[in-house]
Amino acid sequence: GQNIDQPTEMTATEGAIVQINCTYQTSGFNGLFWYQQHAGEAPTFLSYNVLDGLEEKGRFSSFLSRSKGYSYLLLKELQMKDSASYLCAAAYNYGQNFVFGPGTRLSVLP
Amino acid sequence: DAGITQSPRHKVTETGTPVTLRCHQTENHRYMYWYRQDPGHGLRLIHYSYGVKDTDKGEVSDGYSVSRSKTEDFLLTLESATSSQTSVYFCAISETEGASPLHFGNGTRLTVT
Repeated sequence: GQNIDQPTEMTATEGAIVQINCTYQTSGFNGLFWYQQHAGEAPTFLSYNVLDGLEEKGRFSSFLSRSKGYSYLLLKELQMKDSASYLCAAAYNYGQNFVFGPGTRLSVLP
Repeated sequence: DAGITQSPRHKVTETGTPVTLRCHQTENHRYMYWYRQDPGHGLRLIHYSYGVKDTDKGEVSDGYSVSRSKTEDFLLTLESATSSQTSVYFCAISETEGASPLHFGNGTRLTVT
């Protein structure tokens, strides 16, 4: 199988930094996507990593290590509106192409 | 926002009845997908399409069929709905296969009683 693992739930405080980890199987791996999904809404695209290293986009950054099968999403200066589920998805070069993790539900507390 | 419209947004149906969900896009993207989302499982691929009349099965295709007669429309049919198909269904599109992000429709909440 192509299991994607990420923590189920995380809690952080407004203004803090939080890191959401994701591990995936490396065979046939093409790239790693992060999506944000607010309750009752559709997932929206946050970031894409295909090469090793850090991609920064405002308050959000995403890191990839292809050799370790590991990625993380870093959220800085947390705001209440960041309370959402964060989905890690790996793209593969065969089969069903995108495999989603179960999502990490982040709660930002005042 | 990517132009993706799903219909209906909500549906309640009885076990054994046929149901068709529609996805319409205005982006002219080649790739279209149907996912279901259930608590504890994340998004799971049902079927996808890589062109008009070109479709393939995903991870959880049993009990579902699809059709794509036009670039802009991708239909998902439950031939005989079962309670296990109660879920939220998302349609998604992408420009290329695997290297570009998915853009999702707003979802259809289906309840099978």
